[in-house]
Order: sequence, then C-alpha cells, then structure tokens
Amino acid sequence: SQTIHQWPATLVQPVGSPLSLECTVEGTSNPNLYWYRQAAGRGLQLLFYSVGIGQISSEVPQNLSASRPQDRQFILSSKKLLLSDSGFYLCASEALAGEVGEQYFGPGTRLTVT
Amino acid sequence: SQQGEEDPQALSIQEGENATMNCSYKTSINNLQWYRQNSGRGLVHLILIRSNEREKHSGRLRVTLDTSKKSSSLLITASRAADTASYFCATSGGSYIPTFGRGTSLIVHP
Repeated sequence: SQTIHQWPATLVQPVGSPLSLECTVEGTSNPNLYWYRQAAGRGLQLLFYSVGIGQISSEVPQNLSASRPQDRQFILSSKKLLLSDSGFYLCASEALAGEVGEQYFGPGTRLTVT
Repeated sequence: SQQGEEDPQALSIQEGENATMNCSYKTSINNLQWYRQNSGRGLVHLILIRSNEREKHSGRLRVTLDTSKKSSSLLITASRAADTASYFCATSGGSYIPTFGRGTSLIVHP
C-alpha cells in the first residue's frame, strides 16, 4: 500500500510570508495527487489535483499554487500568506490498485497564519 | 453540487452500542465512500460502495446506499472507545474526484 509523507507537521507563519508545504508518496507510481484544506470542524475543500508531472488543476481561485516537479512529489506554495490561509492541509494520493476515487491521506500540516 | 452532508453532526454513545451515521447528497453518483479521521490526523479510507450496490460490510462496519433517496448510512456495531473519531462521506460523480461532507463527530464513552 501507499505511504504519504507530509512536512512540516505544524507551521506558524506571519501574514505576508511565503509558504512551501511538501508531500511525497511511496509505494506507487504515477499517482493522481490532491491537496485539500480543512477548516476547524469542517469538511475537506479540494484545492489542487494533479494527474502527472507538471499537470496541475486548480479548483479554488486563491493566492495558493501547486507544483509537481517529480512523479511522487507534490508541493503547495504561496508567495504571501493571508490570515484566511490558516487551516489543516492534507495531501492525498489515489489508490490506483483500489477502486477509482479511493484515496490515501498523509498526516497533514497544521498551518496558523498570525 | 454532489457534496454529501452527514447527519447527525455529533453523536455520543456508550461503548457496546451501535452508531449510525447518515449521508445525503443531491446529484447522481458513481460511488460513495466513508472515511474516518482521528483528531488532528489524516483521513483513513473505510469503505467504498458503488452506485449499483445496496449494501457492503467490512468487519463491524455496514454501509447501505439508497440511490432513489440519494442517501447512505454507516453503521458501526458494538462500538468501542477507539471508534471515537470524525466520519466523513465522500461522493464521486463523472470525474471520480470525491467531494467530502462536513462529517459526523462520534464520541464513544468507555
């Protein structure tokens, strides 16, 4: 099965500072990758997904961006953070050996923008 | 939107009791999934049910799907304190990208 790594686990950043969150995947090749954001007590909001290297689809217009420089690496970035960017960020990989749509999730990054 | 909405938002039961959570959605789907999330952690996939299936079992979990009512239920039998978590349903349509609901927070008291 797949293992999804995310770091850092927690992050406190001031407004206006840059952001880089990294996600790497083990145990599969050419996965579909996803970035989600979860506000406190809420469901998951899909931010970006990628079906291959350099292929990024954005679901929500905002000051965040994503890149996929390698097959199993997915990066979430921002040039200038806003207070509203605070939340729990989750990376997910599709379980290609399983049913279509079934996903494995990383442990998440808790981002607090101050 | 085909986003699922879970009901109830919160559920508190005693160990050994059964826990039932429901999910309703608005548009046709290809499949529906249930995930579990322990506090501050990532989601863990529990079970997927396809639109042409009506019921699936996995251990103490039983999922039903009624496409005519656009609803699904997750039953956890003989609950344990370790089942305390948030449970999310996720619906997938033509793109197969799941859309998640807001979740049900389950507390099982020992």
